[in-house]
Amino acid sequence: DAKTTQPNSMESNEEEPVHLPCNHSTISGTDYIHWYRQLPSQGPEYVIHGLTSNVNNRMASLAIAEDRKSSTLILHRATLRDAAVYYCILSRSYGGSQGNLIFGKGTKLSVKP
Amino acid sequence: GAVVSQHPSRVICKSGTSVKIECRSLDFQATTMFWYRQFPKQSLMLMATSNEGSKATYEQGVEKDKFLINHASLTLSTLTVTSAHPEDSSFYICSARGGGGSAYGYTFGSGTRLTVV
Repeated sequence: DAKTTQPNSMESNEEEPVHLPCNHSTISGTDYIHWYRQLPSQGPEYVIHGLTSNVNNRMASLAIAEDRKSSTLILHRATLRDAAVYYCILSRSYGGSQGNLIFGKGTKLSVKP
Repeated sequence: GAVVSQHPSRVICKSGTSVKIECRSLDFQATTMFWYRQFPKQSLMLMATSNEGSKATYEQGVEKDKFLINHASLTLSTLTVTSAHPEDSSFYICSARGGGGSAYGYTFGSGTRLTVV
C-alpha cells in the first residue's frame, strides 16, 4: 500500500478553521483517500473519504489535489472535541473485496480554547 | 450508520491464561473483519484479516497460534490471545467492512484494553 506523510502535530484555536495536510506522492489510480480520527482510548472514527473530487460532509471537507499526490482535511470550525489524532490512509479499494487500512503515525491535533 | 460492538472494553488476566475478545457488527453483515493492536503512544498495527468462513490472514511477525481468530458468522469475529504474557498487554481494536455499497466502508470497535499481570 502507498504511504502517507503527515505532520506529527498541529495546534488550532477553538472556532477557527483547521487544515490538516497529507502527502501521498506514490498514490495509484485506484487508491481511495481515507481520513479517520482517534480520541484517547477509543477506536478510530470515520471522518471522510474521497477518490478524485473534493468531498464535503457534516464533519469536514476533503480537498484533493489535481494530481492526487496530496490532500487536505478541513475542519471548518474546530471545537475542543475535535482534539484527536487524525490519520490519512490510502486503501486500494473501497467497500470491495480487497484492501485494508494501514495506519501511519497521524497528526495529533490540539485545540486551544 | 454502521455500528461495531467490541467486548470486553477492558480485561485483566493472569500470565499464562487465555483471553477472548469479541467483535460484532450490529446492523450490517461484515464479510471481512480486521484486528489491530496499539501500544501506548503508537499507531494502530494491523495484526490480521479475517474473512467469514475461511482462515484468517496474518501480517508478518504476528503469531497465528498465539492470536487465534475465528470469523464463524457474518456478524461475529473473535480474537483469542492464548497463553498471555505481560508483553501482550495492549489496546486491541477490531474493524469490520461490509460488502460494496457500505456507506462508511470501515467501522471500528471501541477497543479492548488488555492487561496481563
